[in-house]
Amino acid sequence: DAKTTQPTSMDCAEGRAANLPCNHSTISGNEYVYWYRQIHSQGPQYIIHGLKNNETNEMASLIITEDRKSSTLILPHATLRDTAVYYCIVLAYSGGGADGLTFGKGTHLIIQP
Amino acid sequence: NAGVTQTPKFRVLKTGQSMTLLCAQDMNHEYMYWYRQDPGMGLRLIHYSVGEGTTAKGEVPDGYNVSRLKKQNFLLGLESAAPSQTSVYFCASSYTSGGIQFWTQYFGPGTRLLVL
Repeated sequence: DAKTTQPTSMDCAEGRAANLPCNHSTISGNEYVYWYRQIHSQGPQYIIHGLKNNETNEMASLIITEDRKSSTLILPHATLRDTAVYYCIVLAYSGGGADGLTFGKGTHLIIQP
Repeated sequence: NAGVTQTPKFRVLKTGQSMTLLCAQDMNHEYMYWYRQDPGMGLRLIHYSVGEGTTAKGEVPDGYNVSRLKKQNFLLGLESAAPSQTSVYFCASSYTSGGIQFWTQYFGPGTRLLVL
């Protein structure tokens, strides 16, 4: 799986858009970009994923550059409850058996009141 | 839908005692997983199951056993607990299609286990 690079921490004011960058310059053509987050003392939570096109769901938007070497997760109106560690990972689908998720260090996003 | 639930939420064991952690999901997912998460260590896969009646070892299976007698339930057993098994345990489930594993995993709230 391709390696990802994320800033260690970021601050964002409540109500503003939080933009979390992720570099994945060695991504392969069949690898998806996935975002998860983990709020303190809770289980990890799936946010969004994409392959080439930008994606949006009720939680966030994912912007993937045309060369797919980087992406940005956007939380449009951040709230205090969005304070968490955000993980960007690139993964390919596989057949047969199963693999576990492996998170890197992630970005600790702190929403300021 | 409740999603993924875990029982119990917190437990204290003495060394050598046994216990079973229960995970239940109501999303009709084929795949289920047990992870442990230690401070600064990230998630590590203990065991997983690709369907009812099947289980397989993950990265750190020693000291644990699992069973998947029903599609919606995945049990993690500790036969003889050790202090090194003090951790937070997360269960997760995911869907599959045509045998292809998808990486959208839904996690439970976790079980905090302290072994003295």
